[in-house]
Amino acid sequence: GESVGLHLPTLSVQEGDNSIINCAYSNSASDYFIWYKQESGKGPQFIIDIRSNMDKRQGQRVTVLLNKTVKHLSLQIAATQPGDSAVYFCAENGSGANSKLTFGKGITLSVRP
Amino acid sequence: NAGVMQNPRHLVRRRGQEARLRCSPMKGHSHVYWYRQLPEEGLKFMVYLQKENIIDESGMPKERFSAEFPKEGPSILRIQQVVRGDSAAYFCASSPTFRQGGEQYFGPGTRLTVT
Repeated sequence: GESVGLHLPTLSVQEGDNSIINCAYSNSASDYFIWYKQESGKGPQFIIDIRSNMDKRQGQRVTVLLNKTVKHLSLQIAATQPGDSAVYFCAENGSGANSKLTFGKGITLSVRP
Repeated sequence: NAGVMQNPRHLVRRRGQEARLRCSPMKGHSHVYWYRQLPEEGLKFMVYLQKENIIDESGMPKERFSAEFPKEGPSILRIQQVVRGDSAAYFCASSPTFRQGGEQYFGPGTRLTVT
């Protein structure tokens, strides 16, 4: 069956360090992989996505890496800030432009001052 | 450009009552999705709608749950005869008619508590 899962439930990093959040997926037919950030009491906020025909995409302070060989997705956050503290979810949207999203369970990122 | 709007933000219902959750997508977005999130868990897909059409309801419980997205007005997620297990955060997301990527934009959610 389809599943998207995260390796670790929590991640604690020092302010200013780089953070790496990892995710495994099982549906090799997915078109897009997306990272969301969710702060307490709020809805998920889109961070960055990557199409299945790419292996790297960069945004502002964030980089997403896709390894289709091992079905692995990662989010790298440069110079982590206290405002980055949140729960991070990876998601995949199957095949088709408007497919539903399948989410992993989430990993909590805690930034130490 | 206002984001996805949901109301109410918090809803308390007693067992057996009905819950109605509303979602107004972002301007220019014609695709609406509903997700449910239990505490400490990720979001689970429920239903995907376009105007006046249900496209994918594979995540909807077979009974008591229904959704609509009428030609005019917001999308409605309706839960009849609520039970304690329905307590969760319900999120609506929308996406544009012609998407460039995989993103869906989420509203702030409705937190349903069944007492």
